[in-house]
Parts: sequence; C-alpha cells; structure tokens
Amino acid sequence: KAGVTQTPRYLIKTRGQQVTLSCSPISGHRSVSWYQQTPGQGLQFLFEYFSETQRNKGNFPGRFSGRQFSNSRSEMNVSTLELGDSALYLCASSLAPGGYGTGELFFGEGSRLTVL
Amino acid sequence: DQQVKQNSPSLSVQEGRISILNCDYTNSMFDYFLWYKKYPAEGPTFLISISSIKDKNEDGRFTVFLNKSAKHLSLHIVPSQPGDSAVYFCAASPRTSSNTGKLIFGQGTTLQVKP
Repeated sequence: KAGVTQTPRYLIKTRGQQVTLSCSPISGHRSVSWYQQTPGQGLQFLFEYFSETQRNKGNFPGRFSGRQFSNSRSEMNVSTLELGDSALYLCASSLAPGGYGTGELFFGEGSRLTVL
Repeated sequence: DQQVKQNSPSLSVQEGRISILNCDYTNSMFDYFLWYKKYPAEGPTFLISISSIKDKNEDGRFTVFLNKSAKHLSLHIVPSQPGDSAVYFCAASPRTSSNTGKLIFGQGTTLQVKP
C-alpha cells in the first residue's frame, strides 16, 4: 500500500515568489492535514481538509492557503514568500479527521522549501 | 505559548539500557497524547498513544506513562536498540479540536543509542 506522497521533495524560491506543494494521501484516506516544521519549533499545524472542506486552521497568516480535491489529493500554497517560510512542510493523512479522534496520522516525507 | 514541551533536546543511552523521554504539557484539555518517531529525510511515524483517561499504555518495548496531576508524560524504551536512534516528538490532541487532524507537538528530543 503506497504511503503519503509529497511533491516536490525539495525546492528553492526567492522572497516574494509563491509556491504550491502537493500531497497525495494513502488510498482510501479522506482527511489531509498540513504541518510546518522548523528547527527548534517542532511541528506546527497549518490546516486540515476533509471531503474538500477545511475543518480546522492553525495560527498562520493568510498567505498560507490550501485546498482538497474530490480524489482527496491536497495542495497548499504560500504566497509572497518570506525568509522565515523556509521549512519542511509535512502532509499527513488519515481515514477520518484526526484518525477518528485518536491523533494517529500518517505522514509523508515532506517538501523542504528554502527561501532565499 | 508552547503547550507541549520537551525540555531535553537530546538524550544518549547505551544499547540494552532504558531510554526515558519526557514531555510536559500546560493544558488539561487534551484527549490523547502520542509519540511520533522521525528518522532523517523521512516523515514522522506514529509510535504509541495514550488516552487521557489512562495512566499507562504498553506496546512491546515501548511504554508510555501519563501523570495527569503533574501534567507529564514519558516514553520508556526497554531495551534500547541502535535502530531506535531518531528524533522523538511528543504530541497532544486538543479536546476542542477533537476529531480533527490538529495535534500540538513538542520540539522533539534526539535519541542516540550507542552500540
């Protein structure tokens, strides 16, 4: 069974540009969550989608947005990139939101974004 | 405001000995506590969890203890193996966001198990 697939794995952008990251969940999983990981900050929740609807959003500026398609694939977009947006962006999927409330999520390998 | 804290950035233990990773939280409104393990260049993988109504959960070499009065949980690995060397994240599922993918993570502890 294929895991969570994230593309691209690595990318470099410059300040002011925008970026789109893609996530394909495990087959059959309908919930997709996004996290940002920076050194010393652990993982910080960005947002979650289920059945094409955003169900929860973290404390990030409006430059961070996402969407989910009918096949459960998800994308996140960051506009007007800042140096501080350099991070590993992780996507996680589960059968139902939050793993039926247990918090058990299946993570992809992440997309490492570097902003110069 | 860090609601979940892992105060030890790193831990080194000898193979075969016990590894104890600690985590403190400041909010009592969590439904589940979880531990995730992360190897370099890979995503975090779920290791073990505990419901807020339990004190202990065991799965093979891994045991998680929850002390609600102290708002503290710990992960015990016995015996430790070199393959356990990884970054361990403590996470909590907020009750106000139950049944969502929102988890509050600690900063992580890097465990090194020496052969």
